[in-house]
Order: sequence, then structure tokens, then C-alpha cells
Amino acid sequence: GAGVSQSPSNKVTEKGKDVELRCDPISGHTALYWYRQSLGQGLEFLIYFQGNSAPDKSGLPSDRFSAERTGGSVSTLTIQRTQQEDSAVYLCASSAAVTGYEQYFGPGTRLTVT
Amino acid sequence: AQTVTQSQPEMSVQEAETVTLSCTYDTSENNYYLFWYKQPPSRQMILVIRQEAYKQQNATENRFSVNFQKAAKSFSLKISDSQLGDTAMYFCAFSGGSNYKLTFGKGTLLTVNP
Repeated sequence: GAGVSQSPSNKVTEKGKDVELRCDPISGHTALYWYRQSLGQGLEFLIYFQGNSAPDKSGLPSDRFSAERTGGSVSTLTIQRTQQEDSAVYLCASSAAVTGYEQYFGPGTRLTVT
Repeated sequence: AQTVTQSQPEMSVQEAETVTLSCTYDTSENNYYLFWYKQPPSRQMILVIRQEAYKQQNATENRFSVNFQKAAKSFSLKISDSQLGDTAMYFCAFSGGSNYKLTFGKGTLLTVNP
């Protein structure tokens, strides 16, 4: 079946602009995670969804970052007033359940802020 | 908070030989899961192998096996009969707690030489 998809694959934006990153999880997966991968910080957890609720937003680096999930499926990560330090690869993963199940990753969105 | 340490930033191995990647972790959780993920240059994170902490038997998946030492909090990955396609960044990851988010190590870049 179809895996996790993310769009766009690459995004170049100017400092100060807003961006939206999209994640389509595997159908039926209730848990959805966003991670960020950067050279300096490695792989960092951003936010976790169970259904449409986000019980853990502890990894969001600032209030410029927000995310939502609708219909228990698609999720959007929004970064407002982008800064150069936001440049990274943003990875989305989904899981059939929370407890110890494998997380399946999408191909990521490479965000470059100029 | 959990921490995951991969002490080998880079490793290389000849094709058909065996290589072991090291990983240690720290946690106060009793129930948790450990994973090895592979990330080739394509950027796609691929699950290699999964280990439940409550299982004493080491997980195996074809050429990949782990040496899980719970008391020592060690979780190494052995790759047998290395193939050129195994060239990738390998991440050790911990999953546990209330939302089972993944905590990653910094990664080991493995190069398989012909």
C-alpha cells in the first residue's frame, strides 16, 4: 500500500515568509509525528498527534511553529515568519498505534530559508 | 529524559564482511522499544530492526541482528555479508514514555567498499 507522503519535497522561501508543510500518513494510522533534521541538532521531535489531538507539543521550538491534523489523517505544519535557523529537513512519521509500534517515515521536506 | 549515544560517527567495511554499530541509551522507563533506522542519500528513513525491551531474545531480520544488553543499556547492530546498498547513515532510536516519540542518536555513517 501507499506509504507516508509529504509535500512539497523542497521549499525555498525568503526570511519572514510563512510556509506550510503537508503530511499524508498511511491510511488507518492513528498516531502521527513530526521531526526536524538539521546538521547541528540531529533529529528532533516536534509534535505528536493521536487522532486529531496533539497531546505533546513539547518539541515545537517557538510559537512561530504550529501544526494541525484533520479527519484523523492529513497534517499540516506551519512556520510563520521563517528564520534562517528554520532551514532543515522536516520529517513526518505515522504509526498504527502509539505503544511501541514502528513509525513509518515520509521522504521529508527540505526547507531552505534565504 | 531519554538519551541515545552513538559513539562511532563513521565506519567503513568491505563488501561481504561483517560490521557492528554501537549504541547506548539511558532511561528510567521500564517499558520501551529500541530501533535501528537506515537513511540512505535519498533521505528516506527506513526501519531496519525493532527490539522490545521486555524480550530477552535478540531480534534478527535477515542479515541484520542486534545484541541487546538491557542491564548495560546497550543495543548494537550487526550487519552480516555487507552489501553496497547498505551504505547509509544508521540511527539508533529509543521509544517509550507516554507518547512513544522517537529519541535518536547522532547517527553512524556506514560506507561499504567494493
